[in-house]
Amino acid sequence: QVQLVQSGAEVEKPGASVKVSCKASGYTFTSYGISWVRQAPGQGLEWMGWISAYNGNTNYAQKLQARVTMTTDTSTSTAYMELRSLRSDDTAVYYCAKSLPTESGWYFDYWGQGTLVTVSS
Amino acid sequence: DIQMTQSPSTLSASVGDRVTITCRASQSISSWLAWYQQKPGKAPKLLIYKASSLESGVPSRFSGSGSGTEFTLTISSLQPDDFATYYCQQYNSYSLTFGGGTKVEIK
Repeated sequence: QVQLVQSGAEVEKPGASVKVSCKASGYTFTSYGISWVRQAPGQGLEWMGWISAYNGNTNYAQKLQARVTMTTDTSTSTAYMELRSLRSDDTAVYYCAKSLPTESGWYFDYWGQGTLVTVSS
Repeated sequence: DIQMTQSPSTLSASVGDRVTITCRASQSISSWLAWYQQKPGKAPKLLIYKASSLESGVPSRFSGSGSGTEFTLTISSLQPDDFATYYCQQYNSYSLTFGGGTKVEIK
């Protein structure tokens, strides 16, 4: 069965960086991309970007493009999301999601359990 | 970016009710729309893709319709497990966006 297992909760200070991992199993990792979606406390869902697990191509949300880097390690079927220059409004639960390709974008059939990132001085 | 607007933001309903949630796009997205269900403390779950295709394993009381800029998610007979928040997501462009969510509460 498909599983995406994310790393544990993080507490970071403003200005620091955080790196969240997402280990995939139950499917051929390189056949599908991974998107990252975040959800601030009590708020809706925000797409952060996508990475191809096949060739590492990325597509970042314009709002975050300067501060986010997504990578993959195909040897361990793991995707990573690093967010730099953290601010208090980056406090959120961060999800990875297996991304199904279409002619024009992606939707998500499996999600990780979420990683809470708290930014606080 | 394409803006997605859901209505209502909160909906109070009883078990057995027929429930309809609307999602409107700021420009045409053809049928490139998905619906998700999210329960507190859990990840979203895919219900519908391509506006009206039911994801495998999702009960048939869920259905989706629409194209262009207006879409609906219908639950034909609300069950206790359906009280949750529902989100639409457009994938017409490679800049994906979600609606603000509709919380379905017990009346």
